[in-house]
Amino acid sequence: AQTVTQSQPEMSVQEAETVTLSCTYDTSENNYYLFWYKQPPSRQMILVIRQEAYKQQNATENRFSVNFQKAAKSFSLKISDSQLGDTAMYFCAFMKQTGNTGKLIFGQGTTLQVKP
Amino acid sequence: KAGVTQTPRYLIKTRGQQVTLSCSPISGHRSVSWYQQTPGQGLQFLFEYFSETQRNKGNFPGRFSGRQFSNSRSEMNVSTLELGDSALYLCASSLNRGSPGGYTFGSGTRLTVV
Repeated sequence: AQTVTQSQPEMSVQEAETVTLSCTYDTSENNYYLFWYKQPPSRQMILVIRQEAYKQQNATENRFSVNFQKAAKSFSLKISDSQLGDTAMYFCAFMKQTGNTGKLIFGQGTTLQVKP
Repeated sequence: KAGVTQTPRYLIKTRGQQVTLSCSPISGHRSVSWYQQTPGQGLQFLFEYFSETQRNKGNFPGRFSGRQFSNSRSEMNVSTLELGDSALYLCASSLNRGSPGGYTFGSGTRLTVV
């Protein structure tokens, strides 16, 4: 069975600074997807960034980038130039690419507060 | 392009009753998944539907059921409600099963059981 672990329940960062959220996962699969979702107080989950396991290049979306280490089963999220609107709960998620797919496995989440 | 729509947004039910939640996916999306979110258990997968068939099911009792219609809209039903069923229920849709684009979520239905 796959598991996803986020070891930082809460983090804070000053506006305009950089913060890194950690995520590790456990799987015996070779083909899978990894995602970071953001859930602000409005409670809607918003996809921040995604990574396909077969791609060695780390994904980047504007101020958001990941450090994907497949051998170490690590998938951290870096937020650069933090903004007040980045305040939210962040979830790391895993999904198999084939077979019994269509199911996201989430970590417990990291609450990020961006301070002015 | 409309997002994933969940109705109702809030619901209060009494223990023992049953409830039906609705989810309209993004137009063209055929895979719909449901998740339960609670402070203690986090986000847990309930089930996934594709082409009107349940393709995947999480570890929930049989009181939790769902279905998908030909237009991909989905409903989930919880019978004989228990206090522990109080949660945020999230629906998500995707173009296809296991799409690399990931799933788009709705705003959820907040269910309170009293």
